[in-house]
Amino acid sequence: QQPVQSPQAVILREGEDAVINCSSSKALYSVHWYRQKHGEAPVFLMILLKGGEQKGHEKISASFNEKKQQSSLYLTASQLSYSGTYFCGVNSGNTPLVFGKGTRLSVIA
Amino acid sequence: DTGVSQNPRHKITKRGQNVTFRCDPISEHNRLYWYRQTLGQGPEFLTYFQNEAQLEKSRLLSDRFSAERPKGSFSTLEIQRTEQGDSAMYLCASSLEGQYGYTFGSGTRLTVV
Repeated sequence: QQPVQSPQAVILREGEDAVINCSSSKALYSVHWYRQKHGEAPVFLMILLKGGEQKGHEKISASFNEKKQQSSLYLTASQLSYSGTYFCGVNSGNTPLVFGKGTRLSVIA
Repeated sequence: DTGVSQNPRHKITKRGQNVTFRCDPISEHNRLYWYRQTLGQGPEFLTYFQNEAQLEKSRLLSDRFSAERPKGSFSTLEIQRTEQGDSAMYLCASSLEGQYGYTFGSGTRLTVV
């Protein structure tokens, strides 16, 4: 089942913080976060695994609440380059990801 | 490593025609996925391969869709008798088996007229 993301859209000024949430009705094994800029492919940001292991390669943090089947992505001190649509992708095992509908983030000067 | 490559980038076809897309994954990745994305939506899963074996197909994938991954290398996605509802961005992604991030290609944008 498709995870639910909130908010659907957010506008920030440079330097402000944002939180994007992702929740599922099914028990989760992992949560992935991706950012997609207009006309481009989604780019991997971070993966959070059941049990707390986190793998990522950008200065963006996230949390994974296994009991609530929720994840949150934290964007601090936003930059113009953070603009784009953020997707969470989830699975309940070693299976393909199911993606949410996305959260559109716009950072303005 | 040049990433995931998809061809063509754009395809315009008449309704009823057949189309084929190609995806070249990262060579070390043994998993390959096909997703479809429409405007304002997240990627929708279509099918995936582990090496040359096709492990799962979405219910979205009608019998007009077929995918192959011969020898566990590149993959092709064919749509027969295209319909206007097939118009979308078709994304290919690859990953290492297990819980690793996906690397997406730039996609093939299909327009059925």
